[in-house]
Amino acid sequence: IAGITQAPTSQILAAGRRMTLRCTQDMRHNAMYWYRQDLGLGLRLIHYSNTAGTTGKGEVPDGYSVSRANTDDFPLTLASAVPSQTSVYFCASSATSGRGTDTQYFGPGTRLTVL
Amino acid sequence: GQNIDQPTEMTATEGAIVQINCTYQTSGFNGLFWYQQHAGEAPTFLSYNVLDGLEEKGRFSSFLSRSKGYSYLLLKELQMKDSASYLCAAMDSNYQLIWGAGTKLIIKP
Repeated sequence: IAGITQAPTSQILAAGRRMTLRCTQDMRHNAMYWYRQDLGLGLRLIHYSNTAGTTGKGEVPDGYSVSRANTDDFPLTLASAVPSQTSVYFCASSATSGRGTDTQYFGPGTRLTVL
Repeated sequence: GQNIDQPTEMTATEGAIVQINCTYQTSGFNGLFWYQQHAGEAPTFLSYNVLDGLEEKGRFSSFLSRSKGYSYLLLKELQMKDSASYLCAAMDSNYQLIWGAGTKLIIKP
């Protein structure tokens, strides 16, 4: 059982290019999340999905889009990358959303550098 | 606004005890989480508190005071492998996690 996988592990991208970060979970969790982590700042929520077919905006959604066609996959797309999107991106999932006990489990992260 | 405060860095000695504090201000409250994150790795879940009091789990304990908006993580019998960042996160009324910037814990022999 892999839990949550993310791809790629790291990527260097030219500004203006389009990029999709992949996230797959095999825990049959309903809820999935995308965060970015920057030095000196807490994890910031980009987008989330409470269940397949639905998505919502987090704290910092601008420049990013997501889709949730099925339970397992939750890709994050940068339509036109900018240097300020240089960060470590974590995908996470929880069994459900809307309960205080919904522990989030994290993937290994994608380190993205936009030049 | 919503805010989580925790110290940026702490240093402790192997075998000792360390307490990492966290204060929070959120719109509504549905619990307080602590995660551990080793350098270059993903955060991993340590504890969850929603009621006032102390929750003990082996060498790690977590405390919550809802009236004070305060929590701490207590680590006993420190080991070198405990060197990591410890992230405090409060769940708001929308069941979203609001994260602190993390406390980097350095363990010295």
